Amino acid sequence: DTGVSQDPRHKITKRGQNVTFRCDPISEHNRLYWYRQTLGQGPEFLTYFQNEAQLEKSRLLSDRFSAERPKGSFSTLEIQRTEQGDSAMYLCASSWGQGGETQYFGPGTRLLVL
Amino acid sequence: AQRVTQPEKLLSVFKGAPVELKCNYSYSGSPELFWYVQYSRQRLQLLLRHISRESIKGFTADLNKGETSFHLKKPFAQEEDSAMYYCALSGVGGAQKLVFGQGTRLTINP
Repeated sequence: DTGVSQDPRHKITKRGQNVTFRCDPISEHNRLYWYRQTLGQGPEFLTYFQNEAQLEKSRLLSDRFSAERPKGSFSTLEIQRTEQGDSAMYLCASSWGQGGETQYFGPGTRLLVL
Repeated sequence: AQRVTQPEKLLSVFKGAPVELKCNYSYSGSPELFWYVQYSRQRLQLLLRHISRESIKGFTADLNKGETSFHLKKPFAQEEDSAMYYCALSGVGGAQKLVFGQGTRLTINP
């Protein structure tokens, strides 16, 4: 399978713990996006990388959230001191191009904060 | 502000009947519009985009800039069309982040 992959697929944690998610994009894709989806809502943009540079962050991304894409390939999204409101599906997408290209989504990581 | 509105959370039609999923948007400029679909237990995938003017799986969508709408249509629904459908927009240039509507769950009854 050469599509976007995410790990883990499910994560249950206790409030206050830190969690880290990984996204492996399609290998030749230069752009990588993180979205968050809560129940009954469409995905909401969190942040975006072009190669290793993080070019845009949403206001949704509080200072407890940090994302990296150190070598322009895989990316990690870390949430520190998790809160129950962080419970959601975290989606990663990747694309290739200069703009307007199709984004390909991963299966998502479902986070439950108890 | 960029916004996508899908007024129907749920839509149920019979097999063979026409389907129309509504999407309205708010954007200052000329956005690109997309329809994404998520079948049961599958990941989100692109169905079609206005710029390509394609018909995918019998679905079409026309961008109406006057009404700021991008409704998705299919003349004869099939049971395999049952899925969650999301309308989305992105700006031209820049980050190309997608702004999604809340989605419409389409159920095709036999």
